[in-house]
Amino acid sequence: QKEVEQNSGPLSVPEGAIASLNCTYSDRGSQSFFWYRQYSGKSPELIMSIYSNGDKEDGRFTAQLNKASQYVSLLIRDSQPSDSATYLCAAYSSASKIIFGSGTRLSIRP
Amino acid sequence: DAGITQSPRYKITETGRQVTLMCHQTWSHSYMFWYRQDLGHGLRLIYYSAAADITDKGEVPDGYVVSRSKTENFPLTLESATRSQTSVYFCASGAGGMTDTQYFGPGTRLTVL
Repeated sequence: QKEVEQNSGPLSVPEGAIASLNCTYSDRGSQSFFWYRQYSGKSPELIMSIYSNGDKEDGRFTAQLNKASQYVSLLIRDSQPSDSATYLCAAYSSASKIIFGSGTRLSIRP
Repeated sequence: DAGITQSPRYKITETGRQVTLMCHQTWSHSYMFWYRQDLGHGLRLIYYSAAADITDKGEVPDGYVVSRSKTENFPLTLESATRSQTSVYFCASGAGGMTDTQYFGPGTRLTVL
């Protein structure tokens, strides 16, 4: 059974600091990786996608991918209270299709 | 209204009954997906569809049936509901399949008694 692992949290970060969310995956054939944000009681929405090794930046968000270590991370700079949510990591491979982690709950404290 | 909608939003049923959850999108996306979300398991793919009349199994298809006669609709049927199918069900759609952005509906909370 292919898996995507995330620390469930909660991860508590002070406002204005950098939040670092981590994810590991077991399927070495995974090609595409995604970070979704889900507010309590709401549906997931895509924040970042990353397909190649290295960093990808979009505003306050940076996704990092290391395929050799099978590791994906999401950095949120200048964290805001509105960033408090559960963050879901997902990996796609042609064999496993899309597999989501169980999510990390992030709490930004004022 | 443009977007992706699900109905009903809440449903309580009994073990053994047939239940159909509806999903409708107005973007003409080729791909549609059904997921279930349970505490501790994250989202798990049940079925997906690449186009009208093309469907395929995901990670947890047992006990579910799907059809897609029109591009905009993708109903999910539980033929004989079981308590283990109590969950929140999300429908999603996207233009580019699983390697592209998926847009999620608001979800249906299903309770099987």
